[in-house]
Amino acid sequence: EPEVTQTPSHQVTQMGQEVILRCVPISNHLYFYWYRQILGQKVEFLVSFYNNEISEKSEIFDDQFSVERPDGSNFTLKIRSTKLEDSAMYFCASSEMGTSFYNSPLHFGNGTRLTVT
Amino acid sequence: DAKTTQPNSMESNEEEPVHLPCNHSTISGTDYIHWYRQLPSQGPEYVIHGLTSNVNNRMASLAIAEDRKSSTLILHRATLRDAAVYYCIPLIQGAQKLVFGQGTRLTINP
Repeated sequence: EPEVTQTPSHQVTQMGQEVILRCVPISNHLYFYWYRQILGQKVEFLVSFYNNEISEKSEIFDDQFSVERPDGSNFTLKIRSTKLEDSAMYFCASSEMGTSFYNSPLHFGNGTRLTVT
Repeated sequence: DAKTTQPNSMESNEEEPVHLPCNHSTISGTDYIHWYRQLPSQGPEYVIHGLTSNVNNRMASLAIAEDRKSSTLILHRATLRDAAVYYCIPLIQGAQKLVFGQGTRLTINP
C-alpha cells in the first residue's frame, strides 16, 4: 500500500538555525498538509497546500515557516530560525481529494522528530 | 469547529469487542464524522468515516446515532495492536482540514 514518507526521522538543530523537513506524499494525491505534535499534546494543524499554493494556515504558521513543492514529488516544510518551542513531531499528510474533502481520508507519515537545543 | 467529547481513556481485553463513544452534539446535518487513531510513535491513521448510516470496513464499524449527536467506533475483536489514541473528528462543511482533540487512549490487556 502506498505511504507518505518523511525524512529525516530525527533532526537535531541549534536555536536560530534553519531546518528543512522533507516529505514524499502519495503520488496521485493533490492536497498536502503539515501538522505538529508537541510531546504530550494534541496534534495541531499548521498548513494545507493545494495547486501549488497555501490553502489555509494556522496561527502557528507564522513568517518563520514556509512550504514548498519544489519538484512535483517532494513537499517540504522550512523553519527559518528555529526556537526551542519548535521542538515537536512534525507530520506530513496527503489526501487524494476525490469527490470531496469529506470523503477523502488523510494519509499521514510517521513524522520527523525535531529537537531544538 | 464542532465540539467533541470523548473519554480520556478506556481499557479492554484482547479478543473482546471495544465500543469507543464520542459526543458531537453541535454538528450540523452535513458534517461527516471521521475517526483516526495514533499508535505509539506513529502518525495518525485513518480508521473510518460516515455521515448518517452505520458504516463497516476491515478495521472497524461506525455506529451513528439517529440524531447524529453521538457516534460509537466499534472494534469487533481487539488485538494488542489496537492500543492507540482514538480521535473522533467531525468535518465541518467548508473546512479543509482535520482538527484533532485529545482523543481516547485505549489500552488492551493480554
